[in-house]
Amino acid sequence: SQTIHQWPATLVQPVGSPLSLECTVEGTSNPNLYWYRQAAGRGLQLLFYSVGIGQISSEVPQNLSASRPQDRQFILSSKKLLLSDSGFYLCAWRAPTSQPTDTQYFGPGTRLTVL
Amino acid sequence: AQSVTQLGSHVSVSEGALVLLRCNYSSSVPPYLFWYVQYPNQGLQLLLKYTSAATLVKGINGFEAEFKKSETSFHLTKPSAHMSDAAEYFCAVSDSGYSTLTFGKGTMLLVSP
Repeated sequence: SQTIHQWPATLVQPVGSPLSLECTVEGTSNPNLYWYRQAAGRGLQLLFYSVGIGQISSEVPQNLSASRPQDRQFILSSKKLLLSDSGFYLCAWRAPTSQPTDTQYFGPGTRLTVL
Repeated sequence: AQSVTQLGSHVSVSEGALVLLRCNYSSSVPPYLFWYVQYPNQGLQLLLKYTSAATLVKGINGFEAEFKKSETSFHLTKPSAHMSDAAEYFCAVSDSGYSTLTFGKGTMLLVSP
């Protein structure tokens, strides 16, 4: 069966510090991968998605970047965190067939607080 | 562009009462719709999805949703609420390229004893 991991689970970082959040998927090959952010009162915002190694689509211009160095690894980064980067970050995967009925499966999330 | 609107950021019900969470969609292609649930500090979990095979879709935990094209709706219902149903619920629609999902802003379900 497939599983998705995210770490760390929680993170407290000062403004201006770098960020690296990691997501890995097990039990599937060539998945579509997604990064979302939930900020208070703003719903679920898609940040990046990837359909293959090195292929990243950015949905929202911002202070963040994403990379996919391996097939089942997706990393969210920032060089300098802002207060507005605080939120709950969710990684998700989906089968590579891109059928409209394919389910997205979510990881447990990372709670980021920028002080 | 595809979008979904969830009416009511918060819905309160008593334990045992009917749960009704509203979702309306806007789509330029045949819509494929999903309902997810999120418990505090956890990821999202799929409740059910509309695949065009049947307009009434049954999901986990006793939830179901009915696709009504004439009303552009996909409302989520449960006949009798349990305390354990208290969570945030998200409606979502596949984009036209079927690569991503667009989520509604979510509805927080509060269940009182």
